[in-house]
Amino acid sequence: QKEVEQDPGPLSVPEGAIVSLNCTYSNSAFQYFMWYRQYSRKGPELLMYTYSSGNKEDGRFTAQVDKSSKYISLFIRDSQPSDSATYLCAMSLYNQGGKLIFGQGTELSVKP
Amino acid sequence: DTAVSQTPKYLVTQMGNDKSIKCEQNLGHDTMYWYKQDSKKFLKIMFSYNNKELIINETVPNRFSPKSPDKAHLNLHINSLELGDSAVYFCASSQEYQGIQPQHFGDGTRLSIL
Repeated sequence: QKEVEQDPGPLSVPEGAIVSLNCTYSNSAFQYFMWYRQYSRKGPELLMYTYSSGNKEDGRFTAQVDKSSKYISLFIRDSQPSDSATYLCAMSLYNQGGKLIFGQGTELSVKP
Repeated sequence: DTAVSQTPKYLVTQMGNDKSIKCEQNLGHDTMYWYKQDSKKFLKIMFSYNNKELIINETVPNRFSPKSPDKAHLNLHINSLELGDSAVYFCASSQEYQGIQPQHFGDGTRLSIL
């Protein structure tokens, strides 16, 4: 079993839809949670990061962490075709040399 | 200005050859990383360096040897390339490696072994 599980999709939604992307994890010691966006043939780009349970909002993006359920989510409101990409969740511990454990990534397609 | 740059972008070579990938960051960060992304897009850390010192070696075959001449550069040399080495290799950097440190990635080097 992988430490971080993420449905690879693909997920296809119409423009303007609310998108929900999720990851579950098995290591309750994870302290930091991140979401990266990766466009085709590009490197991952950090979208959001947090270290506490609860919600964090940035524009159309909301990251949610539920440590008791070992579950994190990324919500995208008013999705745009430019949001079409692969979304990767990542987690880390304080003292592991910066090592990020990634989910497999969910491929999202937003149709005009 | 590209923050984290890798060369080459594409590398096609024969099994058994030796090749190197170079990475440079101009963000003034202390920590640099190599990740490998397989065909299923699964991204896994290989190495991390902080101020030229090895911090993480994630049970990578010793055919892979990273070298950090200074904190702005981290190169990856691969000996005796195998078919299973075909992947995209990403370099990343962060301010340091403790705590929550956003990592900035390059655009990858696509390695294909024939």
